[in-house]
Amino acid sequence: GQNIDQPTEMTATEGAIVQINCTYQTSGFNGLFWYQQHAGEAPTFLSYNVLDGLEEKGRFSSFLSRSKGYSYLLLKELQMKDSASYLCAVCDSNYQLIWGAGTKLIIKP
Amino acid sequence: IAGITQAPTSQILAAGRRMTLRCTQDMRHNAMYWYRQDLGLGLRLIHYSNTAGTTGKGEVPDGYSVSRANTDDFPLTLASAVPSQTSVYFCASSTSGGGDEQFFGPGTRLTVL
Repeated sequence: GQNIDQPTEMTATEGAIVQINCTYQTSGFNGLFWYQQHAGEAPTFLSYNVLDGLEEKGRFSSFLSRSKGYSYLLLKELQMKDSASYLCAVCDSNYQLIWGAGTKLIIKP
Repeated sequence: IAGITQAPTSQILAAGRRMTLRCTQDMRHNAMYWYRQDLGLGLRLIHYSNTAGTTGKGEVPDGYSVSRANTDDFPLTLASAVPSQTSVYFCASSTSGGGDEQFFGPGTRLTVL
């Protein structure tokens, strides 16, 4: 079966750095997405990786290792507004997105 | 309209009733999707459409139907609602069905009693 694993919840301090991991086992691979979802709101796109390596976009970076079935999202200089759930999703061989359950990130002052 | 909209925002429904959730996008996207989101689970795909006139089944299609008469609209119908269909429903769209970025509507919170 297809499976996306990410931690249920993480806590970090304002101004710090946090890394959210995602491991996957899917039928085929056509890219990996990270989305942010604030409570009660819709998911919004953060990043996309299809090749191995690090993609940097401001305070957010995303890394992919296809051979290990592994990705992480790195958030730097954490702000209170970064408190949200972070969703990992893999595009499978049918070009459908398979979603993880999300990681709830709590930022403390 | 800017982006993707859904209606209603929330709804309480008696079991056995028929309900249609509406979704409209103005981005001229070819592909559209319906997901449900339940606590502790990832988004699960109900139905999708890669282009107007075509639809396909996702991971959890039972009890739901869709139609795609035109590019902009993608309604989701529950023919006879059951309590297990209590969930938050998100409609999404993307340029194509080829695994590109999906844009989400604000969601519909549905409670079936």
